[in-house]
Amino acid sequence: ETGVTQTPRHLVMGMTNKKSLKCEQHLGHNAMYWYKQSAKKPLELMFVYNFKEQTENNSVPSRFSPECPNSSHLFLHLHTLQPEDSALYLCASSQDRGSPNEQFFGPGTRLTVL
Amino acid sequence: KNQVEQSPQSLIILEGKNCTLQCNYTVSPFSNLRWYKQDTGRGPVSLTIMTFSENTKSNGRYTATLDADTKQSSLHITASQLSDSASYICVVSAGGNNRLAFGKGNQVVVIP
Repeated sequence: ETGVTQTPRHLVMGMTNKKSLKCEQHLGHNAMYWYKQSAKKPLELMFVYNFKEQTENNSVPSRFSPECPNSSHLFLHLHTLQPEDSALYLCASSQDRGSPNEQFFGPGTRLTVL
Repeated sequence: KNQVEQSPQSLIILEGKNCTLQCNYTVSPFSNLRWYKQDTGRGPVSLTIMTFSENTKSNGRYTATLDADTKQSSLHITASQLSDSASYICVVSAGGNNRLAFGKGNQVVVIP
């Protein structure tokens, strides 16, 4: 397995459910990111982890809870979501937080909240 | 207002034809600009990266240009193929912390 992988690829959940998205990178990177991609809108940065420490929370509602147990794994825990949270959730990684390190993206999880 | 504006929002082109996508940005201080290609159902993949001093960069049939004075970039696709159907996203990096500003993307559909 190479690159950045995400599971599940598709998720449908009700507003009262609790679910988690998983991201794993096999690139030896130290920075990992969660993005939200909604139709006809630019990618929105949600969270940044650098060397397992959260360095950025872009005013994300508390119903989204990230977890980074090590530099290779990143989770996004979801609970009591709203229909407007339906979107493609992308995970990315880079060597570290510096520029111009390329961010490598996973395939995303297509989330639908009913 | 978004710091990265792309045009056209979408376009349809015939296979074998060329097309040019535009990106205007207001991000400052400028570090670098990337064009990403995002196939349907996939994550974005970097095509080119340009820093302040670079005017053009090619990757196969993709050629990107940068005018840092006017803060404009373009992506030219030569002899388009069906596999070029995708969203092309202009991404500008500001400063040294790799904070990225994303455009909404140009949706390209290549038809036979």
